[in-house]
Amino acid sequence: GAGVSQSPSNKVTEKGKDVELRCDPISGHTALYWYRQSLGQGLEFLIYFQGNSAPDKSGLPSDRFSAERTGGSVSTLTIQRTQQEDSAVYLCASSLALRTGQKLFFGSGTQLSVL
Amino acid sequence: GNSVTQMEGPVTLSEEAFLTINCTYTATGYPSLFWYVQYPGEGLQLLLKATKADDKGSNKGFEATYRKETTSFHLEKGSVQVSDSAVYFCALSDYNQGGKLIFGQGTELSVKP
Repeated sequence: GAGVSQSPSNKVTEKGKDVELRCDPISGHTALYWYRQSLGQGLEFLIYFQGNSAPDKSGLPSDRFSAERTGGSVSTLTIQRTQQEDSAVYLCASSLALRTGQKLFFGSGTQLSVL
Repeated sequence: GNSVTQMEGPVTLSEEAFLTINCTYTATGYPSLFWYVQYPGEGLQLLLKATKADDKGSNKGFEATYRKETTSFHLEKGSVQVSDSAVYFCALSDYNQGGKLIFGQGTELSVKP
């Protein structure tokens, strides 16, 4: 595709339910990143992938959060037993390679609302 | 650890005014520095970057100079337009941390006609 695609664009769920957020990076981009954008919290790093492996999971807020990437392409961020504090915009980005100085291309995000 | 601090917003300016948004960083290595911009209803996009000390990044009339001695990367524009209204994020990436971007809190800019 032309850019990073995220789905769904909006997700409303009930507290305690599981949700899956999907990211389709730009074709050929080996690095993929997940961020969370909350009101008043700025952009919070969650996890990144080089190919299918995740060298740095340090940003995942709790063990309810997990992510995987398959075929060096699509990634899924899963939040189990959602809580109200999980409400935020979840952003995915990709880059050609995993090295400093690389330009990241961002998707439009998934707005998650936990009621 | 690495971190980025930028001036709090919102910043409100009249059209053609001079803009400065301050950004300072803390890093253990030799990071690359970035400004990203988020226009209303749009995704984050790169505005400019600098990869080593004394480099100046520029784009769309915006400039920022990588100052290692003051650990700063302030964003400037000589004459802002209404269309510059957006949220601006300063960020760094450091080889020691795998190249991931660490962002500041963001500064909302509103330009009035």
